[in-house]
Amino acid sequence: AQSVTQPDIHITVSEGASLELRCNYSYGATPYLFWYVQSPGQGLQLLLKYFSGDTLVQGIKGFEAEFKRSQSSFNLRKPSVHWSDAAEYFCAVGRGGNKLTFGTGTQLKVEL
Amino acid sequence: SQTIHQWPATLVQPVGSPLSLECTVEGTSNPNLYWYRQAAGRGLQLLFYSVGIGQISSEVPQNLSASRPQDRQFILSSKKLLLSDSGFYLCAWSSGQSYEQYFGPGTRLTVT
Repeated sequence: AQSVTQPDIHITVSEGASLELRCNYSYGATPYLFWYVQSPGQGLQLLLKYFSGDTLVQGIKGFEAEFKRSQSSFNLRKPSVHWSDAAEYFCAVGRGGNKLTFGTGTQLKVEL
Repeated sequence: SQTIHQWPATLVQPVGSPLSLECTVEGTSNPNLYWYRQAAGRGLQLLFYSVGIGQISSEVPQNLSASRPQDRQFILSSKKLLLSDSGFYLCAWSSGQSYEQYFGPGTRLTVT
């Protein structure tokens, strides 16, 4: 069965510093991969997605993610974090029936 | 453009009372619709999904049920709420064979 692991429950970075959020997946074939962001009390917003092709994908708000098949990873990165990036981030993998399996999320705190 | 609505935004209900949460989508036809529950630190759990009017699939056995009386309307219900039904409920939609899901703003349910 497909699964997603986000090993970091909480991450704190200083504003202006770079960010990398880790995501590892378990899936037999080429996966459909997603990153979502959730602000407190809000719904989830799609940041970026990977279906095929270029393994480095660009998303909204200056985020990017790299698909590494050999490591079963799809890590999210941002070169310079802004205070408004503080939120919870979820990695997800597509599974049968147009459904998604989500990781348990990484809470990002940004120190000013 | 497509939009997704959920109401109410917040709800406080006593144990044993009924529940009805509504989700509607605008700007698309025949969407796939999903109900998720989010508990703190546990990511998103898919409760129900629907590929068409009257077609509901349940992911986990529980005290809840779902219905899709119209193409773009998805309702989550319960006859008698339990304390364990408390949580943040999210509705999402996707189109056709796409895995890309778009989320509503959510409903915070507190069962007292």
